[in-house]
Formats: sequence, structure tokens, C-alpha cells
Amino acid sequence: QKEVEQNSGPLSVPEGAIASLNCTYSDRGSQSFFWYRQYSGKSPELIMSIYSNGDKEDGRFTAQLNKASQYVSLLIRDSQPSDSATYLCAVSISNFGNEKLTFGTGTRLTIIP
Amino acid sequence: DTAVSQTPKYLVTQMGNDKSIKCEQNLGHDTMYWYKQDSKKFLKIMFSYNNKELIINETVPNRFSPKSPDKAHLNLHINSLELGDSAVYFCASSGRRDRTSYEQYFGPGTRLTVT
Repeated sequence: QKEVEQNSGPLSVPEGAIASLNCTYSDRGSQSFFWYRQYSGKSPELIMSIYSNGDKEDGRFTAQLNKASQYVSLLIRDSQPSDSATYLCAVSISNFGNEKLTFGTGTRLTIIP
Repeated sequence: DTAVSQTPKYLVTQMGNDKSIKCEQNLGHDTMYWYKQDSKKFLKIMFSYNNKELIINETVPNRFSPKSPDKAHLNLHINSLELGDSAVYFCASSGRRDRTSYEQYFGPGTRLTVT
């Protein structure tokens, strides 16, 4: 079983719609959860972090965490063509900032104009 | 102002050669990392240093040797390069954003091609 699993996609969403990206993780001791966006040929860019159960909103992005179900998601509202990228879910077992992130394989998102 | 920088951006070399990649961060972070992203885009940690001390060493061939001269720099030296070493290598650094959260930032990457 992979430690962090994501649907590889591609996920195609019409412009203006809500894009929903999902991630599950296997280590129940995981405490920190991140979403990174990676454009082709570029480095991963941190867009959301979440540490406790529930929703966290930042602009058009909402991260949702359910530790009981070992599930974390990212919603992108009012999707724009510039949101087309690969989205990487990352999980850490600590919240001290000096331990490794375990990444999923990423979901490729395409926003259709 | 570049937060995490790496040199070189591209590296093309032949099998058996030795090469180095350099990384610097100006964020004042204590922890730095090396990640490898393979051709399938899977990103996996290789090493982590906290304040010049090695704290994470994943299952990486000992041909790979990281060195941290100070907490703002983390270099990666690779001996006897093999075809399978071809990948993009990312440096990253992390630090606390506030009392309850921290963030990890990536450099632009070094695309290594071994021929």
C-alpha cells in the first residue's frame, strides 16, 4: 500500500467550476498535511497547509482534513486556466518542521476554457 | 529575491563522472533537504539536514554524499554517475511560519541527464 495515494488523473474541469482533488494516507500518526502545485518544468509551490480536522480556506482554495478517515482534499473554486497543473499531496508525521514530507504521485488537473 | 536557489539548473554528463549540485537559502531556515523527482514525476526525499546535522538519510546509494557547510547551504555530490541517476533534484528548506505551522519551500530544481 502506498503511503500517500492520489488519483493521477488527468482531471478535466470546465473554467469557473469547482475542482476537487483527493488524497488518502496510510500513517495514522500523520500530523501535517500540505498541497503543492507544480507547473510543468517548475518546482513544487506550497499552496495550502492544514493541521487539524475540518476546513481551511485561503482565497479560492479550501483544504479539508478528516483524520479519522485518513483523507485530505483540496477544492479550487472558480477554476481558472492558470490552475492547470499537477497537484501534489504531502504528509508529515510531525509538526516540528524538520521531518520528511511524503508525497503522493500527484493529480494532473486541466481547466478547460 | 530568490528564497531557495540551486546551481546548476541543467547538468548533462557521462556515466562514471562525478558532479556536484549546490543549494542556498536566504530564508533563515534551520532545515534543508534534497529530493529526487523521477521521470514519472514522483518526488521522494533523499536527505535532510538540520543546522548542519544530518537527520534524514533515506535509502540512497552511498555514491550520493550531501554536505552542509552552514545552515544556509546544502550541497549534493554524486560519484560514479549512472543512467538511473537522471532526474530532477530539488533542494528545499523549511521553517516555522508561526507557533502552530511550518512551511517547506523548494528551489527551482537541477535537471541531471546522464548519458
